[in-house]
Parts: sequence; C-alpha cells; structure tokens
Amino acid sequence: AIRMTQSPSSFSASTGDRVTITCRASQGISSSLAWYQQKPGKAPKLLIFDTSTLQSGVPSRFSGSGSGTDFTLTISCLQSEDFATYYCQQYYSYPWTFGQGTKVEIK
Amino acid sequence: EVQLLESGGNLVQPGGSLRLSCAASRFTFSSYAMSWVRQAPGKGLEWVSGISGNGESTHYADSVKGRFTISRDNSKNTLYLRMNGLRAEDTAVYYCAKAYCGGDCSFDYWGQGTRVTVSS
Repeated sequence: AIRMTQSPSSFSASTGDRVTITCRASQGISSSLAWYQQKPGKAPKLLIFDTSTLQSGVPSRFSGSGSGTDFTLTISCLQSEDFATYYCQQYYSYPWTFGQGTKVEIK
Repeated sequence: EVQLLESGGNLVQPGGSLRLSCAASRFTFSSYAMSWVRQAPGKGLEWVSGISGNGESTHYADSVKGRFTISRDNSKNTLYLRMNGLRAEDTAVYYCAKAYCGGDCSFDYWGQGTRVTVSS
C-alpha cells in the first residue's frame, strides 16, 4: 500500500497567517491527490482534488500543488473557520490511503 | 443537495456481524462510485472499501479483506457494508462517501457517519 506522510502533525498559527501543509507519498501517484478538512464531530469536507483543483464553494485562499510524490496544501490567509484537521488522500492505486492528518490550532 | 444517510451502527460483540446501509438521494446514484471510510476514536481517516457505479468492481483495505463485503442496490439508491468477524479494532465511525466520478477519484460528499462499537 502507498503510505502518505503529512508534516507537520500539528502546529499553531494566527489568523491572517500563510500556512503550508505537506504530504509525501511513498511512491509516485501522478496527480491523484485530494485534500480534506475535518472539524470535530463532523464529516470530512473536500477542499481540493486532482492535486490543485478547488472544489466548488471552497474559498480561493486554499490552494494545492505538487506532483509525483510531494504535495502541498496552502492557506494564504488563515481565517478563524480554518482551524481544523487536514488530511491528504491518494486515489492512484488501491488500497486508497490517507495521511495521518495535520491539526491546525489557534496560537 | 446530495444527501447520504448512514444507518445500522451498533454495539456488537467480538466475532459478531453488522450490516451498514447508506441511503443516497438527490443525485443519479448508479453513475457514481461509492466508498466506506472509517475513523476510530481520536484517530485519522481510513478508507475501508469502494464499489463502482454498476457494482461490478469492488476493492477493500487489507485490514478488512475477507471479512467485509461492500454492495449496492441501484434500484434502491442504497450502499451497504456487510461486516463479519468484527474485532475491537473495527470500532469506529463509518462514513459513506460519494466519488465525484464513476471510477477512481476523490469524495465530494460524505454522510454524517454511523458508530460501530465492538466490545464484550
């Protein structure tokens, strides 16, 4: 199975900060990568698919980039509603796998 | 808007069985692949199983292969997960998730989840 490793696992940031979360795949996954946001007690929400395509309704402060094995999620100007846990997921080959999550906390 | 409503979660003893259901509405169910994704208490997301739109192709995580069976009834717009030989490590909230395409792609809609607890 392809292993997805996110970094960092958690960090603190302030409203207005630019933040970047990285996701590394144990082997190449082309552009078959998605990012999800999850808040406590809620289902995950799709932010970005196919590495860089913004899901409808998602604010443009979210962006994704990368290819092959290294990917990033960037939030250009952190808002209060963005404090959550973020997961990457590969759908290049079965079994599909998620990263372990990155928790973004308020500084 | 798309709706996915899971049901069937319960407390079950180790070795027991459960069948989860996910009732889908407000989209053409048969046109989209579906999956089950679970989340153990305080842990991350784990993809469990997926099925193509026509039900002919199924896939499983190694952790559930041979114990869980995914299926769908497109006439009833319902996704199922039959879980046999349940173990303590299967304790989790189980989400059904809709793929945004008919094949291999990410999940654009998720249900609210149904809780499965495996304990004696």
